[in-house]
Amino acid sequence: KAGVTQTPRYLIKTRGQQVTLSCSPISGHRSVSWYQQTPGQGLQFLFEYFSETQRNKGNFPGRFSGRQFSNSRSEMNVSTLELGDSALYLCASSLERGRGGYNEQFFGPGTRLTVL
Amino acid sequence: AQRVTQPEKLLSVFKGAPVELKCNYSYSGSPELFWYVQYSRQRLQLLLRHISRESIKGFTADLNKGETSFHLKKPFAQEEDSAMYYCALSNRNFGNEKLTFGTGTRLTIIP
Repeated sequence: KAGVTQTPRYLIKTRGQQVTLSCSPISGHRSVSWYQQTPGQGLQFLFEYFSETQRNKGNFPGRFSGRQFSNSRSEMNVSTLELGDSALYLCASSLERGRGGYNEQFFGPGTRLTVL
Repeated sequence: AQRVTQPEKLLSVFKGAPVELKCNYSYSGSPELFWYVQYSRQRLQLLLRHISRESIKGFTADLNKGETSFHLKKPFAQEEDSAMYYCALSNRNFGNEKLTFGTGTRLTIIP
């Protein structure tokens, strides 16, 4: 099975711009979660989507949003970029827990966003 | 609120020596605990989970509910164990896939 893929791998943007990151989960996985990784704050949960619905949300401002498509692919969007948004954005997918799965999340390689 | 604490940011151990990476958590419900590892230039991957009580690459971790700890241990460190290790916690309830991570411990094995 192919792993979680994320595009693009690297992005450079300037303050005030917006950005869209994409994540394709492992085939059959319906839950997609997004995390922000920074040296200062570590790994922080952004949100989770399941069957095209946002099911969980972390403590991030409304500039951070996401969506999930019917094929489980997910995008996250950051509007009005700030310098502090520079980070590695990780996507993770997991099986539906009700099928006997547990919360093992498989991570993608990440998108490195640099805001200048 | 759920919280995971990894008190050591950096840990250096000689090859062949025992390793213990500390993890403490606070959570009022029934948590799932995990250890994730990130080797250099590789993606974050699951090392082990408390539910399975398995040993992966010689590592074990026991959930101690009384001490709210989930320390990662290995009796004899190997050079390939050098990596970043994250302890993580999840709510066991269906529909809650949020992982709360500790800040991580960078383990360096000295040859």
